[in-house]
Amino acid sequence: SQQGEEDPQALSIQEGENATMNCSYKTSINNLQWYRQNSGRGLVHLILIRSNEREKHSGRLRVTLDTSKKSSSLLITASRAADTASYFCATEGGSYIPTFGRGTSLIVHP
Amino acid sequence: EADIYQTPRYLVIGTGKKITLECSQTMGHDKMYWYQQDPGMELHLIHYSYGVNSTEKGDLSSESTVSRIRTEHFPLTLESARPSHTSQYLCASIEGRGTTQFFGPGTRLTVL
Repeated sequence: SQQGEEDPQALSIQEGENATMNCSYKTSINNLQWYRQNSGRGLVHLILIRSNEREKHSGRLRVTLDTSKKSSSLLITASRAADTASYFCATEGGSYIPTFGRGTSLIVHP
Repeated sequence: EADIYQTPRYLVIGTGKKITLECSQTMGHDKMYWYQQDPGMELHLIHYSYGVNSTEKGDLSSESTVSRIRTEHFPLTLESARPSHTSQYLCASIEGRGTTQFFGPGTRLTVL
């Protein structure tokens, strides 16, 4: 059963702009993670935020979590053409079985 | 980069063939997973394992089987491939009590 839903489905921006992606989920979670997938490849873990955290930073990435609204956002600042990829959120509720959304396809134009 | 490998990377076969997709990790992770992903779509969990001799079916019934005889090895077998099995298959593993998944590069399967 699908837990996370990313929004928007697709995002096209210019290099240097910020990119914001959102994830909504339905049930309570232990943590939420964001992954990146380049075309035709496996996923790469970007950042994990626990249910008792509200914000985390990693380089140009900023993730927020609002458990009352069951939503998270991923902000990529000063985007680069190399950031072009699909971004997935994954929620985990204690069973060690992450559940993925459909992903947001990000295109950054040079 | 994670040490998790999948072979073959690409496979084109005819309907009715039996195939095995290989997944190996050298990190000693107990938990391993198989996902099916169509282009531009979400990942569907098809099988997972919490350790040696432990295997469970996921949400998607893909008519496949898995085995976990060794910690590092988690092969996926399709007894009789069909065109509906055409997809990308991703293998992943998790360390100990963590929840972060490490993914292999995937196997892109085409069944004619």
